[in-house]
Order: sequence, then structure tokens, then C-alpha cells
Amino acid sequence: GAGVSQSPRYKVAKRGQDVALRCDPISGHVSLFWYQQALGQGPEFLTYFQNEAQLDKSGLPSDRFFAERPEGSVSTLKIQRTQKEDSAVYLCASSLLVGGTSGIEQYFGPGTRLTVT
Amino acid sequence: GENVEQHPSTLSVQEGDSAVIKCTYSDSASNYFPWYKQELGKGPQLIIDIRSNVGEKKDQRIAVTLNKTAKHFSLHITETQPEDSAVYFCAASKRTGGADGLTFGKGTHLIIQP
Repeated sequence: GAGVSQSPRYKVAKRGQDVALRCDPISGHVSLFWYQQALGQGPEFLTYFQNEAQLDKSGLPSDRFFAERPEGSVSTLKIQRTQKEDSAVYLCASSLLVGGTSGIEQYFGPGTRLTVT
Repeated sequence: GENVEQHPSTLSVQEGDSAVIKCTYSDSASNYFPWYKQELGKGPQLIIDIRSNVGEKKDQRIAVTLNKTAKHFSLHITETQPEDSAVYFCAASKRTGGADGLTFGKGTHLIIQP
């Protein structure tokens, strides 16, 4: 079946511009996560949604970062007034369930590579 | 918060030999430990995971072991093949029973020499 998809795959923004990154999770997956991956590093958690509710945004680096999932499916990560340090790959992951002994595996999309010039 | 350390950062092995990657975690409440493989330009791909009520899990050439007392877990790949070349990440979370993002190690670049 279809996996997690993200768009665009690549985005170049000038410093100060706003960007919006889209994530389409696997159909029926309740949980959705956003991660930021700097070059040569492991992904770092940004935020988590359970259906449409944003239950954890502790990883968002500043108030310029905003995420939403209004209908509990597609999610958008928005970055306002982009800075050079925002350059990274932004990964989206989804999992079927919230918790328990199965269904918690996170499946990742291909990511969006953001370059801020 | 949780901290995951991963070693080595680069591992080069001859094709057919075994590879071992080790991770330690800091939060004793962590109970879910997945491993991901990431190829250039792609997202991380889940290859195996283990929960804290299990000490070892195997799937064909891949196995993972967990020592809760020492708070470390390892990935073992046997009979390595060229297609195993990639960056491997370990991760930890407290997912069971609640929602929690994964905390990743910094990754191991595995190189399979022909």
C-alpha cells in the first residue's frame, strides 16, 4: 500500500520567507510525528498529533514553527520568517495506534529538504 | 529527557562478515527500541524493533539484543551484503501506553567492502 508521502521534496527559501511543508500519512494512522534532521545527524522530534489534536509540541525550536492537522489526516508544518539555521530535512512519520504492544511502529516519509539562503 | 548514545559512528566490514552497532540510553522508563536504516536521499526505514519485555529478537540476518539493567541495546547483522551499506540509527521511546516521540542516536555509517 501507499506509504507516507511528503511534498515538496526540495524547497529553497530566501531568509525571511515563510514555507509550508505537507505530510500525507498512511491512511488510517492515528499518530503523526514531525522530526527535523540536520546534515549528518539523527532525526530530532518536533511535534506529535493524535488525530487532529496536537498533544506534544515540546520539540519545536521557536514560535516561528507551527504545525496543524485539522482533519486528523494531512498535516502541514509551517515555518515563518525562515532563518539559515532552519536548513535541514524535515521528516514526517505516522503510526497506526497511540500505544500498546503493536501498531506503534513509526513509518517515515522521504522528507523535505529545506535550504534557506 | 532521554539521551541515546550510538557507537561506532563509522563501521567498515568485509562482505560476508558480521556487523555490530551499540547504543545506550539514559531514561529507565524507555521501553521501545526501534532500529532504522537510512539510504542517501531517503527517509528512515524501520528494520527491526524490540520492547523492554523481550531480551532478544531476530529476523533473518538481523538481530537486536536489549539489556535493561545496563540500559544498552545492540544491532547485529550477519552475512553482510553490499545492499546493507547505509546509515543505521537506533532510537528509544516510552511509546507503550502513551504517545512519545523517538529519541535517536547520531547514526552509524555502515560500509560493506566487497
